[in-house]
Amino acid sequence: QSALTQPASVSGSPGQSITISCTGTSSDVGGYNYVSWYQQHPGKAPKLMIYDVSNRPSGVSNRFSGSKSGNTASLTISGLQAEDEADYYCSSYTSSNTYVFGTGTKVTVL
Amino acid sequence: EVQLVESGGRLVKPGGSLRLSCAASGFTFTSYNMNWVRQAPGKGLEWVSSISSSSSYIYYADSVKGRFTISRDNAKSSLYLQMNSLRAEDTAVYYCAKDLGGVWSIDSWGQGTLVTVSS
Repeated sequence: QSALTQPASVSGSPGQSITISCTGTSSDVGGYNYVSWYQQHPGKAPKLMIYDVSNRPSGVSNRFSGSKSGNTASLTISGLQAEDEADYYCSSYTSSNTYVFGTGTKVTVL
Repeated sequence: EVQLVESGGRLVKPGGSLRLSCAASGFTFTSYNMNWVRQAPGKGLEWVSSISSSSSYIYYADSVKGRFTISRDNAKSSLYLQMNSLRAEDTAVYYCAKDLGGVWSIDSWGQGTLVTVSS
């Protein structure tokens, strides 16, 4: 049950687009279309931003989009805004009927 | 509106036990799988355990298997985590979390309860 691999930090200027990667294995990310992405502001609970690789829950801005290729999933934030500064985590269903989370990425808006 | 309210977190000595509770409201509790997810101070999220809607299926992370027990009381819309043989590395905020339903994703989280294991 090793954590999925994410870059420790990603930054961008307001209005730019950034992409966060999430690399797993064929037993998790690569084997199922059950990748989710969460946003977490300091001291707050995580918030679901993307599920099933690319689906947005109601109320989540369409500036957030997800995709997957092989064992790597990606979250793209377009039109970066100050409020997007937060930690982001991916997660995946695994062949063991469990969840595994990513290592987390700190997004900084310059 | 979905509400998940955890309780039971406190300071406990290594080797001790603790029972966390989560009171759920705002949705049909009996229809959803539930989870516990933890986050050590300054660290990332770690999935701990899942339980299906009827308690038929239960899963644990290797790090807690044999020490933690997840359970639920559908009549009381409550989720529990019995934690035994606690270690310093179990120190974390523990979140109660609800599955989205029909897919493998967590869509709702409580505010968390802090468990500190220290002598």
